[in-house]
Amino acid sequence: GDSVTQMEGPVTLSEEAFLTINCTYTATGYPSLFWYVQYPGEGLQLLLKATKADDKGSNKGFEATYRKETTSFHLEKGSVQVSDSAVYFCALSDLGGSARQLTFGSGTQLTVLP
Amino acid sequence: ETGVTQSPTHLIKTRGQQVTLRCSSQSGHNTVSWYQQALGQGPQFIFQYYREEENGRGNFPPRFSGLQFPNYSSELNVNALELDDSALYLCASSWDRGNTEAFFGQGTRLTVV
Repeated sequence: GDSVTQMEGPVTLSEEAFLTINCTYTATGYPSLFWYVQYPGEGLQLLLKATKADDKGSNKGFEATYRKETTSFHLEKGSVQVSDSAVYFCALSDLGGSARQLTFGSGTQLTVLP
Repeated sequence: ETGVTQSPTHLIKTRGQQVTLRCSSQSGHNTVSWYQQALGQGPQFIFQYYREEENGRGNFPPRFSGLQFPNYSSELNVNALELDDSALYLCASSWDRGNTEAFFGQGTRLTVV
């Protein structure tokens, strides 16, 4: 079945540091790929997405490129801020029957220090 | 445009009891999915409802059941609660069952004691 493996945390960075969170996936079809962010005590917010190979998703300075050849969708940001502290989830969406369900990685806790 | 709202936000139940969690979809969305997120884990797909019918199910036992109403709001029911059912339950709505983008509510934190 489908699965997502992401870099284990926690990750602690200083403000303005470069961020990479690795994500690889296994899927039988042609999934869409997502990064979601979860702030303390809240639900999930979609950060960015890519629906086909070589697509780049971007939002709020975060970027990720859908790499089919390496089955990866790594999250990057050039300069993190304290407000970026949260848990980040990589996910894929595949059509299981007629239902599009999301398969998530286990999450990476990011803490950014001032 | 209202977002996805869930109620209650927190709940404590005793093992063996039954619980009902509620979700109001984002305006215009006809598809609702439910996820279970155990502490420190990613969310796991429970099931999806599309136009009042169950449209797909993850690896959860039958004591997890749901409903979707004509206004596309939804309920998740869990019978015979077990300690391992303690988790954050997330509802997500989308405008169609094949749509790639799902919008999540803030979740209901269920504690089973």
